[in-house]
Amino acid sequence: GAVVSQHPSWVICKSGTSVKIECRSLDFQATTMFWYRQFPKQSLMLMATSNEGSKATYEQGVEKDKFLINHASLTLSTLTVTSAHPEDSSFYICSARVRGGHGGELFFGEGSRLTVL
Amino acid sequence: AQSVTQPDIHITVSEGASLELRCNYSYGATPYLFWYVQSPGQGLQLLLKYFSGDTLVQGIKGFEAEFKRSQSSFNLRKPSVHWSDAAEYFCAVGPTGGGNKLTFGTGTQLKVEL
Repeated sequence: GAVVSQHPSWVICKSGTSVKIECRSLDFQATTMFWYRQFPKQSLMLMATSNEGSKATYEQGVEKDKFLINHASLTLSTLTVTSAHPEDSSFYICSARVRGGHGGELFFGEGSRLTVL
Repeated sequence: AQSVTQPDIHITVSEGASLELRCNYSYGATPYLFWYVQSPGQGLQLLLKYFSGDTLVQGIKGFEAEFKRSQSSFNLRKPSVHWSDAAEYFCAVGPTGGGNKLTFGTGTQLKVEL
């Protein structure tokens, strides 16, 4: 199956700093990538949809200025948590849809655990 | 709006026993249905999917699921559970027309007793 890789796997940062998480599709092109947030022992919450070459579409309640998403190429999307605070600590997971694939079939990255001190 | 319900938060089974994880969905038409598995601290791995056709679908790792339209269900089954199956399992639904959004259930944590 298609491989999606995230980096870093985990990061610890001080409150007020910004953190960038990368999501790469390693063996396929992804016109669309998705960013999810997962709180402990809870399900995944879709944060935003990242489309290559255009602005991301954010879900209701997600601050676009706090969570900056860039999808500069067909294999890379980045999520930047700006001015991070402890409440931003979470597990962030990206996924990608294979170009030309079924609309709902997604491949997920390994996730990135963010801890803000 | 589409929704997914996984009624069982935790399930414990003995190794070698059979397993059934329940999933009910709410959607206006026939959706795309998925089961994903997540090991601790990891991303999600697709176990199987249903788009159309045969309502009994086979997946990886010996899992299967049956789509029952009349019950709006897509339960996951495995005849004999292995200790390595212990993980979190998520059912998800997506729109039939394609599109982007998957809606996930809250997950079922599977514990396997040796």
